[in-house]
Amino acid sequence: DAGVIQSPRHEVTEMGQEVTLRCKPISGHNSLFWYRQTMMRGLELLIYFNNNVPIDDSGMPEDRFSAKMPNASFSTLKIQPSEPRDSAVYFCASRSVALTYTDTQYFGPGTRLTVL
Amino acid sequence: GENVEQHPSTLSVQEGDSAVIKCTYSDSASNYFPWYKQELGKGPQLIIDIRSNVGEKKDQRIAVTLNKTAKHFSLHITETQPEDSAVYFCAAGEGGADGLTFGKGTHLIIQP
Repeated sequence: DAGVIQSPRHEVTEMGQEVTLRCKPISGHNSLFWYRQTMMRGLELLIYFNNNVPIDDSGMPEDRFSAKMPNASFSTLKIQPSEPRDSAVYFCASRSVALTYTDTQYFGPGTRLTVL
Repeated sequence: GENVEQHPSTLSVQEGDSAVIKCTYSDSASNYFPWYKQELGKGPQLIIDIRSNVGEKKDQRIAVTLNKTAKHFSLHITETQPEDSAVYFCAAGEGGADGLTFGKGTHLIIQP
């Protein structure tokens, strides 16, 4: 099992540019979560999907942020336009709701985003 | 929404001693309480979890206790080793397929 795969691992961009982060969940998992980690705010849930459908996006900070899950094996988190305060580590996690009595979310290695 | 408080933010213990990290939560609907370990440059990794119908769970040197009435849960690590040094996060959620609310983390330092 390859685990959750995220790309790129590091991204440096300039303010105003569009940024797209990518995630491939564990095969067979049908829930996907996007989190953001900063020193000030810790780990925050941004949005999550069940069976490719967005369920709760109340954690998305602004309209500049958008997320999609076109199929069960791929999701994107887009920031347009990016701002320096978006600098953080963005994690994707996946979970299988089919497994009995387990709620384990498996995290990817994260994408470290720096907006200059 | 849920609010999770975690203490202490930094904990330094001598190798071989025990470490205890405590968390409180606010939403009585929460019924799933995982603990994650995060090493530098890596994503959080689940180390143990507990559901609200259980008061205590143990896995080798790691144990978690839950007091649902008081809305607090704790992580206990016994016989600490250098490889236990990391940041530990508690979290709370309603299970199912909902997202988790995380505490701010505890930086555990094991002194040789």
